Amino acid sequence: GDSVTQMEGPVTLSEEAFLTINCTYTATGYPSLFWYVQYPGEGLQLLLKATKADDKGSNKGFEATYRKETTSFHLEKGSVQVSDSAVYFCALNNAGGTSYGKLTFGQGTILTVHP
Amino acid sequence: GAGVSQTPSNKVTEKGKYVELRCDPISGHTALYWYRQSLGQGPEFLIYFQGTGAADDSGLPNDRFFAVRPEGSVSTLKIQRTERGDSAVYLCASSLTRAGPGELFFGEGSRLTVL
Repeated sequence: GDSVTQMEGPVTLSEEAFLTINCTYTATGYPSLFWYVQYPGEGLQLLLKATKADDKGSNKGFEATYRKETTSFHLEKGSVQVSDSAVYFCALNNAGGTSYGKLTFGQGTILTVHP
Repeated sequence: GAGVSQTPSNKVTEKGKYVELRCDPISGHTALYWYRQSLGQGPEFLIYFQGTGAADDSGLPNDRFFAVRPEGSVSTLKIQRTERGDSAVYLCASSLTRAGPGELFFGEGSRLTVL
């Protein structure tokens, strides 16, 4: 079956540091890939997505590129802020048009950014 | 409110009891999803509704779990004869019928603790 593996956390950085959170996946066919974020006390939010190979998703300074050859979708940000402290989840959808919301999630990575 | 609302936010029950968790989706969202998130894990898909019908219930772990959405809006997740292993955060999400992949809006979840 489909699966998503994220780098182990927690990740602790100083403000303005560079962030990478690794994500690799196993799936048949051509899944869509996502990063979700959960800020303290809030529900999960879609951060960015990519629906085909070589697509780059971007939002709020975060980027991730769909790499089919390495089955990866690593999340990056050039300069993190304290407000980026949250839990980040990598996810995929392989159900296609029958169920765009049926997602397989990774285990999540806790990010803490210090001033 | 404009977001997905879930009640109760916290529920503590004893092993063997019956529990109902409620989800009120965003108005106009025809698709509704239930996920379960165990401690330290990512969310796991349980069931998907399109309108009033369950379009995909492949994630329900066993026949103690049941969900309904009788009028195509509010949904209730029902758990019979609860077990300690059912302790988790139960997440609800909704989306528009024509939403793209992964475009879900999540509630804050209902935390269930089975003693």
